[in-house]
Amino acid sequence: DAKTTQPPSMDCAEGRAANLPCNHSTISGNEYVYWYRQIHSQGPQYIIHGLKNNETNEMASLIITEDRKSSTLILPHATLRDTAVYYCIPRDAGGTSYGKLTFGQGTILTVHP
Amino acid sequence: DVKVTQSSRYLVKRTGEKVFLECVQDMDHENMFWYRQDPGLGLRLIYFSYDVKMKEKGDIPEGYSVSREKKERFSLILESASTNQTSMYLCASSLNRGRWYGYTFGSGTRLTVV
Repeated sequence: DAKTTQPPSMDCAEGRAANLPCNHSTISGNEYVYWYRQIHSQGPQYIIHGLKNNETNEMASLIITEDRKSSTLILPHATLRDTAVYYCIPRDAGGTSYGKLTFGQGTILTVHP
Repeated sequence: DVKVTQSSRYLVKRTGEKVFLECVQDMDHENMFWYRQDPGLGLRLIYFSYDVKMKEKGDIPEGYSVSREKKERFSLILESASTNQTSMYLCASSLNRGRWYGYTFGSGTRLTVV
């Protein structure tokens, strides 16, 4: 599995966009990039995933660089409820991994009023 | 709304007790997973199962076993609980490895072994 590097913590003002970077320079061609978040005392929650194209859903946008070595999760209008730990996780789409996810330390995003 | 339900939110057990943590999902998912989460160590995979009666070791299986007799239920067993197994335990499920779908996690069981 590819290794990831995320900043330990970030701050964001409420209503502003939160841009969370992730470096995954060793990602292989068949690994997707998944983003999850974990709000305090809850289980992690799926946000979005992508392979090489940018993706958007009702929660966030995912920008993946052309060389796929890094990505950015964008929360367009952060709210206090977005305060959480955000995990960037490369994952093999097939093979024998059975969909296992390996969680790193993630980024603690704190949204301030 | 799809759900992964863990039987207890908080649990206190004594050292040496046999402990069962239960997880039930209502999404007809093939895959189920048990993680534990500790400060500074993040989430670590204990065991997973991709089918009924099938199980695979994760990264930290020592001291644990699992049981999956029915598709919707995945149990984590601590044969003889020890204080170093005090942790938050999280269950998750997902569809088959041949298709992508994200994990759905339960709310977690905070186990304290005294």
